[in-house]
Amino acid sequence: NAGVTQTPKFQVLKTGQSMTLQCAQDMNHEYMSWYRQDPGMGLRLIHYSVGAGITDQGEVPNGYNVSRSTTEDFPLRLLSAAPSQTSVYFCASSYGRASGNIQYFGAGTRLSVL
Amino acid sequence: SQQGEEDPQALSIQEGENATMNCSYKTSINNLQWYRQNSGRGLVHLILIRSNEREKHSGRLRVTLDTSKKSSSLLITASRAADTASYFCATDGGSSNTGKLIFGQGTTLQVKP
Repeated sequence: NAGVTQTPKFQVLKTGQSMTLQCAQDMNHEYMSWYRQDPGMGLRLIHYSVGAGITDQGEVPNGYNVSRSTTEDFPLRLLSAAPSQTSVYFCASSYGRASGNIQYFGAGTRLSVL
Repeated sequence: SQQGEEDPQALSIQEGENATMNCSYKTSINNLQWYRQNSGRGLVHLILIRSNEREKHSGRLRVTLDTSKKSSSLLITASRAADTASYFCATDGGSSNTGKLIFGQGTTLQVKP
């Protein structure tokens, strides 16, 4: 099993550009989440999903969109990139409530917005 | 705002010593988890403790939970250089069916050989 796969690993954008960060998991997990990690801030939840077709906002959702058309995939879209979105982005998945929501993380995407 | 706050922010010890990290949180919880993050990598789950448990062990890890004080501690015994990493606590904020996990800011541990 590959686990949670994030692509790309690195990305540089110009202000105003849009892009999609990809996340795929092969563990048949119901729950998936996107976090951003900034120095000294820990991880902050952007959006999450408890199943295909169901998404909800986390702590810092502004400027990001998500969709969950399949169990496996949970892409994160930056609509119009801003320098404040420079960060490391992590996708995670879990079996959900039965497992206590223990999360499995991808390796991260390092994004710089110039 | 962050649910969990960790203390200390940074810790430096010698190999073989014990390392203790503390986490405080604000709301009721169903469970609390600890994760490790090696530099430049994703987080890895270490241990989960449920709200009705007071202590849990896993190898060299010992976690305690005091729900009356809304706090938890992670003890790593006989530390090794390979334990050098950042450690995060995470809680479900009392809603285990929402998929939300709220992380603290983390403790950076350096174990000197």
